[in-house]
This record gives sequence, structure tokens and C-alpha cells, in this order.
Amino acid sequence: KNQVEQSPQSLIILEGKNCTLQCNYTVSPFSNLRWYKQDTGRGPVSLTIMTFSENTKSNGRYTATLDADTKQSSLHITASQLSDSASYICVVSAHAGNMLTFGGGTRLMVKP
Amino acid sequence: EAEVAQSPRYKITEKSQAVAFWCDPISGHATLYWYRQILGQGLELLVQFQDESVVDDSQLPKDRFSAERLKGVDSTLKIQPAELGDSAMYLCASSSSGTLTYEQYFGPGTRLTVT
Repeated sequence: KNQVEQSPQSLIILEGKNCTLQCNYTVSPFSNLRWYKQDTGRGPVSLTIMTFSENTKSNGRYTATLDADTKQSSLHITASQLSDSASYICVVSAHAGNMLTFGGGTRLMVKP
Repeated sequence: EAEVAQSPRYKITEKSQAVAFWCDPISGHATLYWYRQILGQGLELLVQFQDESVVDDSQLPKDRFSAERLKGVDSTLKIQPAELGDSAMYLCASSSSGTLTYEQYFGPGTRLTVT
């Protein structure tokens, strides 16, 4: 069964600090892995998409890594801001890319 | 920039009533998804359309939920009758089958409260 596990479930950090969110998956055959940011009460917004051949991708202060061998991904947030407070969702695609498995998300709170 | 539109943004209804949500995907996106997200939980795929055809509705509670995309463009999700446990955010997303990654673009969602 395809599964995506995220950790931690929730995280509180101080503004300006860095943090790393984890995503482990058992999805086969792997197509791509995405990280989404979801603000409270809003729809998710894509941060990064990585295919099998990519092991790192950045989007501003967000850097995602992918280890296809260990089936792990991480999302690193640098110099956190209050606006980073949100849920971060890891989504893994199988087959042709249109069969998705969602992780439960990590709820991040950045405090001043 | 093109966006996925959803309406209404908020809906309060009494249990046993019927409720409907509407989604207009990004123009040209052949694939449309309906998700349910209970507060504090992850996204649950309810139904996936490719053009006007249902690709996956295995998680759709078909005794009370229905979805259609008659012309392969906009879509309607209906619940009849609504139950207290249906209170959730209903998100619509669309993607273009012309890309390898099938990146999904989400709408703002409809927050349903059943009383």
C-alpha cells in the first residue's frame, strides 16, 4: 500500500531560526515528490516538485531534498518568518504522475 | 495568473439538507480533483475526473455524495443528505495532462459546517 509519513506532526520555532521537516514514503513506482504549503483556511500552494533524478531543489528560503534510494525527502526552511506558519504537505506521485498519495502534513508555527 | 475558482467559500447547512459546491478549473486543465479535509487532518481524495470521465471515485461515499463534470470543464460536488461528519473543507484542484509532473493547482476551498 502506498504511504507517505511526515514528521514531526507539529513544530514550534522562533522567528529567524531554521527548521527541517521530514517525509518518508513507500510509493511505487515513483514519479515525483511535491511539497505544498497550506495556510489556515486556504488551499495548498506548491513549493517544489522533484522527479527521480533530482536530489535538491530550492524556492527562496525553502530547500527540498530527495533521496530516492532511502525514499526520504526533507524540506528545510531557512531564517523562518512569521508568514511561514502553515501546514506543509508532502505528496508523492506514482505511475504516470497522476496517482497521488498525501502525507498528513506538518503544522509549523513560527513565534516572534 | 489563472486560478481555480470555487464557490461558495463558506456554507452552513442543517443535517439532512442537500448542499452543492462548484469548481471552475484553470482553463485547459483536463484533470480535476475534489478533496475533503477535515479540520487538522490530511487531504482525502474524493473523486478525480479526466475531462468528463471519472477516473477514481473509490473514496467517494456514493450513498450521499455525487460529482459531475458534464462538459469536461467545471464541476459540481453534491451531498444529500448532509451529516454532521461532513463538516470539512472541500478543495478542488486541477492539473494539465500535458505536463509530466501533473502539478496540481488548488482552489481556495469551500468550508462546510453541518449543524
